[in-house]
Amino acid sequence: QQQVKQSPQSLIVQKGGIPIINCAYENTAFDYFPWYQQFPGKGPALLIAIRPDVSEKKEGRFTISFNKSAKQFSLHIMDSQPGDSATYFCAASKAAGNKLTFGGGTRVLVKP
Amino acid sequence: KAGVTQTPRYLIKTRGQQVTLSCSPISGHRSVSWYQQTPGQGLQFLFEYFSETQRNKGNFPGRFSGRQFSNSRSEMNVSTLELGDSALYLCASSLAGILEAFFGQGTRLTVV
Repeated sequence: QQQVKQSPQSLIVQKGGIPIINCAYENTAFDYFPWYQQFPGKGPALLIAIRPDVSEKKEGRFTISFNKSAKQFSLHIMDSQPGDSATYFCAASKAAGNKLTFGGGTRVLVKP
Repeated sequence: KAGVTQTPRYLIKTRGQQVTLSCSPISGHRSVSWYQQTPGQGLQFLFEYFSETQRNKGNFPGRFSGRQFSNSRSEMNVSTLELGDSALYLCASSLAGILEAFFGQGTRLTVV
């Protein structure tokens, strides 16, 4: 019940396109949902996060949509750029403690 | 403000040996978590320390242990290394009571 399922595993878009990454969770005790971006050889970097009382959150070109009833959330990268090419991870955690449960990751390639 | 610092960046060890990895959190952060990242299993939570106490533990064998010092710096130890322990070990720190976790660049451990 701790799993977070992420899809697709990989994604290729043209510059300016909108990659969309989806995640689904089982544990209704999760109440914090961050997204991380990871470049090769680097640690994951926090991009944006959302709580279940909000259905959408935007930060720059990154948007999270959250559907509490479906237990799903997604990341949209607006006007994607080649520099956005990276692996993206969704995650979830409970209020207490900082144990993050990660999705399997999505490798995004933005072609020029 | 300095980020999370992990040392060493790279390690090569032989099966059966033990290894200690170090993590210095962001100044003021009292929570430190450790994760293992492998191509097959993805990002998996190892344990979390807060104020020198282990607050959460993942599903790893007892060969994996950790500790936190009074200055919030943390160490992780793996004893009797196995080939399958080869991975990127990531440390993340966060402020007390705040869920945003910031990762270091990781220590790449190779067991031969």
